[in-house]
Amino acid sequence: DAGVIQSPRHEVTEMGQEVTLRCKPISGHNSLFWYRQTMMRGLELLIYFNNNVPIDDSGMPEDRFSAKMPNASFSTLKIQPSEPRDSAVYFCASVTGLLGTDTQYFGPGTRLTVL
Amino acid sequence: GEDVEQSLFLSVREGDSSVINCTYTDSSSTYLYWYKQEPGAGLQLLTYIFSNMDMKQDQRLTVLLNKKDKHLSLRIADTQTGDSAIYFCAEIVMDTGRRALTFGSGTRLQVQP
Repeated sequence: DAGVIQSPRHEVTEMGQEVTLRCKPISGHNSLFWYRQTMMRGLELLIYFNNNVPIDDSGMPEDRFSAKMPNASFSTLKIQPSEPRDSAVYFCASVTGLLGTDTQYFGPGTRLTVL
Repeated sequence: GEDVEQSLFLSVREGDSSVINCTYTDSSSTYLYWYKQEPGAGLQLLTYIFSNMDMKQDQRLTVLLNKKDKHLSLRIADTQTGDSAIYFCAEIVMDTGRRALTFGSGTRLQVQP
């Protein structure tokens, strides 16, 4: 298996532009998580899905952020309009189920820079 | 509330043991994880332990849990230069129903040859 796939790996954009980050989870995994990593706030959850349904979006910063999971093999995280403070590394992780023993597998991340 | 805390930096010599420490939320039903992040990479799960256990050993890794003090440690025996990375302690408190990981700030381990 190729693992969790994220694209793009790097994104540089200007303030005000729309940014779309993509994630392909591991086949057969039922849950998908989006995390963000910054120097100031560390790693924090944005949103997670179970069976394509959003379960917890309490970490989504504001209305500029939206996430979708139209099917079991694809998810997007969109920022519109983007701001410099959105600059971070965005990780996607997938997991078989929601037991504590189920391992979350992380993608390589997308490094977003908003100028 | 949920709060996971770690020391920020540790430097050891190659061949020595490394001990990375973490404190976690007070709960009887918590899974605790150690993740490793190498530069420019995602997070890799190293090991996990449930809060009713005292210890878990996996090759060079030993996890110790002090339930009284809510203290978790990761010991890496015979530390190698390839162990240089950031190590994150993380938890899932099962009682809350929330299944996202809550991470500590990470400990940067530097292994000197």
